[in-house]
Amino acid sequence: AQRVTQPEKLLSVFKGAPVELKCNYSYSGSPELFWYVQYSRQRLQLLLRHISRESIKGFTADLNKGETSFHLKKPFAQEEDSAMYYCALIQGAQKLVFGQGTRLTINP
Amino acid sequence: KAGVTQTPRYLIKTRGQQVTLSCSPISGHRSVSWYQQTPGQGLQFLFEYFSETQRNKGNFPGRFSGRQFSNSRSEMNVSTLELGDSALYLCASSWRGDTEAFFGQGTRLTVV
Repeated sequence: AQRVTQPEKLLSVFKGAPVELKCNYSYSGSPELFWYVQYSRQRLQLLLRHISRESIKGFTADLNKGETSFHLKKPFAQEEDSAMYYCALIQGAQKLVFGQGTRLTINP
Repeated sequence: KAGVTQTPRYLIKTRGQQVTLSCSPISGHRSVSWYQQTPGQGLQFLFEYFSETQRNKGNFPGRFSGRQFSNSRSEMNVSTLELGDSALYLCASSWRGDTEAFFGQGTRLTVV
């Protein structure tokens, strides 16, 4: 079955430090992967998708099919990055399969 | 343009009752999907509608149902409510279902 795993429920780093949020997936076929973010009191929103290969707010994510991973990275964390982050893959018609999420806290 | 709108924002219902939640997608979006979010299970897919047809369904009992109208607005219904149905219900819309999904603020349902 298709599955997304985010091994860290909580992640705390200092401002200016590098950040890496881990995501592993299991999927038969070519997956399409996303990172969604939910800031405090805001709605869930798309941060980036692997096919666009964009860097959003300094975040990047590379799909590694060999390791079945899609880790989210940022070289220098900022306080406004504190949020809940969800990794997800799309299965069929707009069916997003989400990981359990990682709460990222950036300490000043 | 206006975002995805869900109504009501909060609901309290009693076990055994039924409830209807509403979702108005972004103008021009034809795909509407629904998710249940709970602390224990996280975000789980309920179903997706495109042009009034259900295209995909998650692993939920038949008490959970939905529909989509010709203007793409969607409703989901939960009958015979159970305590475990207490959750945040999120609606998402996209242009055709394989593009970026835009989420609403959610409806928080509490079953007592």
